[in-house]
Amino acid sequence: GEDVEQSLFLSVREGDSSVINCTYTDSSSTYLYWYKQEPGAGLQLLTYIFSNMDMKQDQRLTVLLNKKDKHLSLRIADTQTGDSAIYFCAEGFQKLVFGTGTRLLVSP
Amino acid sequence: KAGVTQTPRYLIKTRGQQVTLSCSPISGHRSVSWYQQTPGQGLQFLFEYFSETQRNKGNFPGRFSGRQFSNSRSEMNVSTLELGDSALYLCASSPGGLAQQETQYFGPGTRLLVL
Repeated sequence: GEDVEQSLFLSVREGDSSVINCTYTDSSSTYLYWYKQEPGAGLQLLTYIFSNMDMKQDQRLTVLLNKKDKHLSLRIADTQTGDSAIYFCAEGFQKLVFGTGTRLLVSP
Repeated sequence: KAGVTQTPRYLIKTRGQQVTLSCSPISGHRSVSWYQQTPGQGLQFLFEYFSETQRNKGNFPGRFSGRQFSNSRSEMNVSTLELGDSALYLCASSPGGLAQQETQYFGPGTRLLVL
């Protein structure tokens, strides 16, 4: 079945780049997504990438997709304390399958 | 456009009771999906409704049910509540659903606590 895995925790200093990684098993998804969840809040769609793309850049966010290895990453440039949150990657065709989430902690 | 709204935001129930949660999608969106988020199981898909019909269903017992109205608003019902049903219930909407290669937009969720 579908499975999406992420590392659980990432700690960076303000101003550094953050890279959050994700691996997935289902190759039939048309899009792969990154969502952000702040404490007590719902999910905010950050960005997504079409499955036939290798890279997508959206302001401070860069998504890299390696289809051969089924590996997705999200790079946040110039990470700020306001970026501290849980980040979920997700894929799916008729329903979203989410990873476990990576908790990003940004220290001043 | 207004975002996805969910009511109530917080709810406390006791075991054995039933609960109904409501979701209003973004205007023009006809697909509504429901997800359960718990610390142990993470985010799991419950079901999707499109044009008042359940189109997809996750792996949850029959105690979990839903419906969608002609204005695309959706309700989710959980009967005979168990302690393990304590979770954040998230609703997401999109114009036609993921199968139409569209992104989903999530509401703030309803946090349910079962005592």
